Amino acid sequence: GEDVEQSLFLSVREGDSSVINCTYTDSSSTYLYWYKQEPGAGLQLLTYIFSNMDMKQDQRLTVLLNKKDKHLSLRIADTQTGDSAIYFCAESSDNYGQNFVFGPGTRLSVLP
Amino acid sequence: SQTIHQWPATLVQPVGSPLSLECTVEGTSNPNLYWYRQAAGRGLQLLFYSVGIGQISSEVPQNLSASRPQDRQFILSSKKLLLSDSGFYLCAWNSATGELFFGEGSRLTVL
Repeated sequence: GEDVEQSLFLSVREGDSSVINCTYTDSSSTYLYWYKQEPGAGLQLLTYIFSNMDMKQDQRLTVLLNKKDKHLSLRIADTQTGDSAIYFCAESSDNYGQNFVFGPGTRLSVLP
Repeated sequence: SQTIHQWPATLVQPVGSPLSLECTVEGTSNPNLYWYRQAAGRGLQLLFYSVGIGQISSEVPQNLSASRPQDRQFILSSKKLLLSDSGFYLCAWNSATGELFFGEGSRLTVL
């Protein structure tokens, strides 16, 4: 079946840029998402990108999609301590939630 | 605007006891609703989803069940909890444009 992979941990210094990477296997992925989960909380949708796009920028967040390599990345500029969280990559081939496939999440630690 | 709430936020239950987690959505009608489980250090596992009142689909065989008695209410239940049922349970709803929006989560510890 479809699979989404992410590295489990990432540490960066405050003020640096963070890059969280994700790879997926489903070639029919149409929608790709990034979610943020703060400790003890639910998942918050950060941003998403359609498969016909290469890049999407939203303030400090930049999403890059390499569809040929099935590689998605999330870059956070000027990383702050409040960015410490688990970041989940997810893909879906349609609009239906039951077809979402989530990665295991990357725990981002921001060091002072 | 749409909101989603689930409760209780934290629950500690003995093995063999029953479970009821509740989720409600406001500001939308006929949403698709989902129950996920997040085990420690792992990603999200879809447990159940519902496309309408009384319609439940189960993704994995397990000790849990789900019900949807009203359009915007989704309940996760168990008659007898197992140790392996411990985890963080998340309810979500699916917007018409495809995004999933999650509740705050319910942490269940079975002792």
